[in-house]
Amino acid sequence: DAGVIQSPRHEVTEMGQEVTLRCKPISGHDYLFWYRQTMMRGLELLIYFNNNVPIDDSGMPEDRFSAKMPNASFSTLKIQPSEPRDSAVYFCASSLSGSSSYEQYFGPGTRLTVT
Amino acid sequence: GQQLNQSPQSMFIQEGEDVSMNCTSSSIFNTWLWYKQDPGEGPVLLIALYKAGELTSNGRLTAQFGITRKDSFLNISASIPSDVGIYFCAGSSGSARQLTFGSGTQLTVLP
Repeated sequence: DAGVIQSPRHEVTEMGQEVTLRCKPISGHDYLFWYRQTMMRGLELLIYFNNNVPIDDSGMPEDRFSAKMPNASFSTLKIQPSEPRDSAVYFCASSLSGSSSYEQYFGPGTRLTVT
Repeated sequence: GQQLNQSPQSMFIQEGEDVSMNCTSSSIFNTWLWYKQDPGEGPVLLIALYKAGELTSNGRLTAQFGITRKDSFLNISASIPSDVGIYFCAGSSGSARQLTFGSGTQLTVLP
């Protein structure tokens, strides 16, 4: 079975440009999470969805960040405009509701570099 | 917010040795999980624990959910080179699905 798929794997962009990161969760999973990982702050939860509805976006840094989940198999995280301090690895993870719903499965990540 | 203290930050061990690392929290967690992250990859789930006192194994890995619900331990027996990586603990409390992650333990296995 395919795991969580993220694209692109690497993104290099200039400050001020719009960046869109994409995620396809594991088929059938109804929770989707976006994380950011940096050396300084570790793994931070940005936002998570349940059944395509945003549940908690309190981790989103500021208005420049937005996330959508138009359907059960696709989510995007958009940064507009991007800044150098947004450079990090962004992970998407998914889980299945039920007794094991805390078990999150991560994608390979998107390494974002903003110059 | 909730914080997890994970120790040690890094470990250098000889191949074949056993390894132990732990996580502590100031608040009670209902779920503990352990992940491993290889360079350039996402964290991979190793073990999930759901009951205080629970001891669960996955091959050479054994994890325990502390009785106080405020800590968890991961042991790796007879380490091998492919055990190299960063190990993260994660916990959750209440009904929310968010996980709080520890800062990670960087494990290096020397030949």
